[in-house]
Amino acid sequence: QKEVEQNSGPLSVPEGAIASLNCTYSDRVSQSFFWYRQYSGKSPELIMSIYSNGDKEDGRFTAQLNKASQYVSLLIRDSQPSDSATYLCAVVPQGAQKLVFGQGTRLTINP
Amino acid sequence: KAGVTQTPRYLIKTRGQQVTLSCSPISGHRSVSWYQQTPGQGLQFLFEYFSETQRNKGNFPGRFSGRQFSNSRSEMNVSTLELGDSALYLCASSYGTGGQNTEAFFGQGTRLTVV
Repeated sequence: QKEVEQNSGPLSVPEGAIASLNCTYSDRVSQSFFWYRQYSGKSPELIMSIYSNGDKEDGRFTAQLNKASQYVSLLIRDSQPSDSATYLCAVVPQGAQKLVFGQGTRLTINP
Repeated sequence: KAGVTQTPRYLIKTRGQQVTLSCSPISGHRSVSWYQQTPGQGLQFLFEYFSETQRNKGNFPGRFSGRQFSNSRSEMNVSTLELGDSALYLCASSYGTGGQNTEAFFGQGTRLTVV
């Protein structure tokens, strides 16, 4: 079992709709969770961090964390073509000073 | 506030050579991590340094090494390059340990091509 798993996609969503990205992780005691966006040919950009159960909203983005079920998700409301990118879920395992990444989900927003 | 700076941006090396990559973290950040990104393996953790000490190391051969200086700048070295070392090498910096201090910000990366 991979430490962090994401559906690789591609995920295609019409402009203006909600894009939903999911991620599961294996280390039950992980404490820190992040979503990065990576455009083709660019480096990952941190867009959301979440540390406790529940929802965290920032503009059009909402991160959701459920530690009991070991999943974290990212919702993008009012999706725009500029949101088309690969979204990477990253987890910091307990006691480890590193990010463990999923393979990423490629998201395409169709105008 | 300046971001994470990596140099050089692009490198072409021949098999068997060695290479040194440099990373300057965000001012005030004391943790620097290195990652290798390839299409097949995704983002793989190489090592992490905090206050000049390596705290974590990934599953890479000993040809991959790194260090951190007192000003938090870091270098990584790859010796005896192999074709499979061709990748995007990314450096990330953060404040350090625990919670929000683990938020990591990436540099633009160094694209290494081994021929």
